Amino acid sequence: DIQMTQSPSTLSASVGDRVTITCRASQNIGAWLAWYQQKPGKAPELLISKASTLENAVPLRFSGSGSGTEFTLTISSLQPDDFATYYCQQYTSYPITFGPGTKVDIK
Amino acid sequence: QVQLVESGGGVVQPGQSLRLSCAASGFTLSSFALHWVRQAPGKGLEWVTVMSYDGLNEFYADSVKGRFTISRDTSKNTLFLQINGLRPEDTAVYYCARSTSGGLRDTFDIWGQGTMVTVSS
Repeated sequence: DIQMTQSPSTLSASVGDRVTITCRASQNIGAWLAWYQQKPGKAPELLISKASTLENAVPLRFSGSGSGTEFTLTISSLQPDDFATYYCQQYTSYPITFGPGTKVDIK
Repeated sequence: QVQLVESGGGVVQPGQSLRLSCAASGFTLSSFALHWVRQAPGKGLEWVTVMSYDGLNEFYADSVKGRFTISRDTSKNTLFLQINGLRPEDTAVYYCARSTSGGLRDTFDIWGQGTMVTVSS
């Protein structure tokens, strides 16, 4: 199975900050990496697919990069609606695996 | 409106069974791979199982293999998850999710609201 790790596990930031979350895969997954945002009590929402493709209606302040085993999610200017937990997911092979999540909270 | 609505969760005792349902609307279930993903209280996301768009392929997480069975009724546009031999560690919110473009190597673009399963004596 492909193991996914994320860092940091928690990130405290202020509105307007630039935020970067790192996701690492235990083996080469090419660009088969997605990012999801989840708010308390809600289902996850897809933000980015293929490591860097922004989904429709996702604000341009979100961006993704990377390939192989190391990936990043960047929020260029954190907004109040962005305080949430973010998960990376590899979908190159089964079992599909998620990272443990990064909680972005208010500093 | 494209949506998934889960039902069937509840409080059950260890060893009992449960069948979860996921009703699809706004799209044809047989055109997309469909997944179950679960989330234990306060924990992260765990992928559970998938059925391919044509119903010919299924995959399961090792943690549920032999106890969970995914199925569907295309006439009702509904996906199911049969859970047998429930364990306390199966306690979680269970989400169904749709593959974005229909295939197995795909992201999940539509999620249901989730149904809570609690296993406790």
